[in-house]
Amino acid sequence: EAQVTQNPRYLITVTGKKLTVTCSQNMNHEYMSWYRQDPGLGLRQIYYSMNVEVTDKGDVPEGYKVSRKEKRNFPLILESPSPNQTSLYFCASSLYGAGSAGELFFGEGSRLTVL
Amino acid sequence: GQNIDQPTEMTATEGAIVQINCTYQTSGFNGLFWYQQHAGEAPTFLSYNVLDGLEEKGRFSSFLSRSKGYSYLLLKELQMKDSASYLCAVTRGSTLGRLYFGRGTQLTVWP
Repeated sequence: EAQVTQNPRYLITVTGKKLTVTCSQNMNHEYMSWYRQDPGLGLRQIYYSMNVEVTDKGDVPEGYKVSRKEKRNFPLILESPSPNQTSLYFCASSLYGAGSAGELFFGEGSRLTVL
Repeated sequence: GQNIDQPTEMTATEGAIVQINCTYQTSGFNGLFWYQQHAGEAPTFLSYNVLDGLEEKGRFSSFLSRSKGYSYLLLKELQMKDSASYLCAVTRGSTLGRLYFGRGTQLTVWP
């Protein structure tokens, strides 16, 4: 089944404790991206990757890191999480870039709480 | 960021027709997406418009006017399951990896 898989789905952590949210897609998509969704603010892009070893910043990259060492995986790293990073995170992929006619496929989301 | 505006909330009754508007001010505009997001779930793709005009897909249609910076999503024969948030998103030609979302329109369909 074609899908984007995120883990963990739910996480409560404390300020400063490094964490990684994994994202994996099995559709051989070139493009992957991370978004956060907050009430009243909608979806905001954190980072994206057009292909392996190619990553770039979105609207809200501060406090996050990403890597794209292989095509299927695009982990989101919070080196020192803070309470303002409490949010619902979505990973998404598409065959080409977000500007192409191809749709984005989203993972189920990861709800992160930073205390 | 890009200025993308859509109404925060809308209500309608089963069987009716509803039009959800989206206006944008985006330099180098390339195309516009509509996504549907049910509560607690991930967004799912509805449509993509790059040329002016109406694109019909079953009960859902999407319209784009590039000169007016305007789009709408038309939902016909509304069903309870259409209660969801509808997200408008635009892309720019110069930055194909970037996707800019509006804040979403929460549609409630009443019986």
